Amino acid sequence: NAGVTQTPKFQVLKTGQSMTLQCAQDMNHNSMYWYRQDPGMGLRLIYYSASEGTTDKGEVPNGYNVSRLNKREFSLRLESAAPSQTSVYFCASNLGGLRNQPQHFGDGTRLSIL
Amino acid sequence: AQTVTQSQPEMSVQEAETVTLSCTYDTSESDYYLFWYKQPPSRQMILVIRQEAYKQQNATENRFSVNFQKAAKSFSLKISDSQLGDAAMYFCAYRGDNFNKFYFGSGTKLNVKP
Repeated sequence: NAGVTQTPKFQVLKTGQSMTLQCAQDMNHNSMYWYRQDPGMGLRLIYYSASEGTTDKGEVPNGYNVSRLNKREFSLRLESAAPSQTSVYFCASNLGGLRNQPQHFGDGTRLSIL
Repeated sequence: AQTVTQSQPEMSVQEAETVTLSCTYDTSESDYYLFWYKQPPSRQMILVIRQEAYKQQNATENRFSVNFQKAAKSFSLKISDSQLGDAAMYFCAYRGDNFNKFYFGSGTKLNVKP
């Protein structure tokens, strides 16, 4: 009964390094999302994928890329990490298609960039 | 884009007492869903309750209920008989016509005093 699984849970990077955050869901959901959470700012949408094969920018996409590898997996890549990208990152999914469907979240990845 | 505002960064309540968390939103849409999520220190995001804009009856889930006032664009969460386990960050979220997007408020940190 895994739900949404994110790896890693913690990571420290140096400025300029690259990294990919992994996310997988086992609920057969169509839509997947990446958010960042910063103190006092709630969750801000980075990118989302409404269905397999599609991705769209959210509110704060600069400095990130995503790949919807298949229906289960949605990865987030930082090509050249910057201190401003220090944050907690959440992956989420939902069934899509109906407004009453809630988001199901992973446990988050705490990313620190020095 | 829709905006969701939680004007109370932090609140405290005595154990067994009742507390109300505020949320307002801005939208021109007529049909949408509103959600409250709880984020305990473990970081996991947990759905607490949801409300459809077309339903006049306020949603209730055990000790959690909402006061939904559509005309005022207000969606407050009432927690009755507060318990120590209710201590967490609470986020209000909106999902409208672009049902691929959720908009989150900045959160309210709830402290529960024994």
